[in-house]
Amino acid sequence: RKEVEQDPGPFNVPEGATVAFNCTYSNSASQSFFWYRQDCRKEPKLLMSVYSSGNEDGRFTAQLNRASQYISLLIRDSKLSDSATYLCVVNYYTGRRALTFGSGTRLQVQP
Amino acid sequence: SAVISQKPSRDICQRGTSLTIQCQVDSQVTMMFWYRQQPGQSLTLIATANQGSEATYESGFVIDKFPISRPNLTFSTLTVSNMSPEDSSIYLCSVERDRDNTGELFFGEGSRLTVL
Repeated sequence: RKEVEQDPGPFNVPEGATVAFNCTYSNSASQSFFWYRQDCRKEPKLLMSVYSSGNEDGRFTAQLNRASQYISLLIRDSKLSDSATYLCVVNYYTGRRALTFGSGTRLQVQP
Repeated sequence: SAVISQKPSRDICQRGTSLTIQCQVDSQVTMMFWYRQQPGQSLTLIATANQGSEATYESGFVIDKFPISRPNLTFSTLTVSNMSPEDSSIYLCSVERDRDNTGELFFGEGSRLTVL
């Protein structure tokens, strides 16, 4: 079983739609959680951290469910510029930092 | 954010040769990380490079194949040795800003390696 699992997609949605991605993680000792965005042929960049109480940044909402070991990302009012791969990232500290990346969910927003 | 320069940005190499990738950061950082991203895959951590000590390698990666240097707090190199086509990948240098302690990683633009 992969440590961090994501649906690879692609998710094809029209502009203005709301889309949600889930990600599950296997290590219950995981301590912090992130969503990164990776555009085609570019490096990953942090989209947002995920806090236990859930957090929102504009059109983006991230939530964490520790009991079920999953995190989610909700994108409202999708824009063409949201088209990218979204990487779920989990951090568990084992004497040294260990960021584990999911394989990513590809989103394609269509006009 | 941190500014990270990697070079080469891309290269095409022959089987059996070695290539050294350089990573320069615009500020001093304690840890630098080297990742690999194979086509259609996510990022896999190769090793963590600390200044003044040997790099720490993840399972499946060894120093003979991926020697790393970390001569100072702003620079590191990764060498891909005795390359085979399976080494064709994007290699990414990344850092965490020490003062932030947020877990956020900043990445270089990557070095796209093709081995023939």
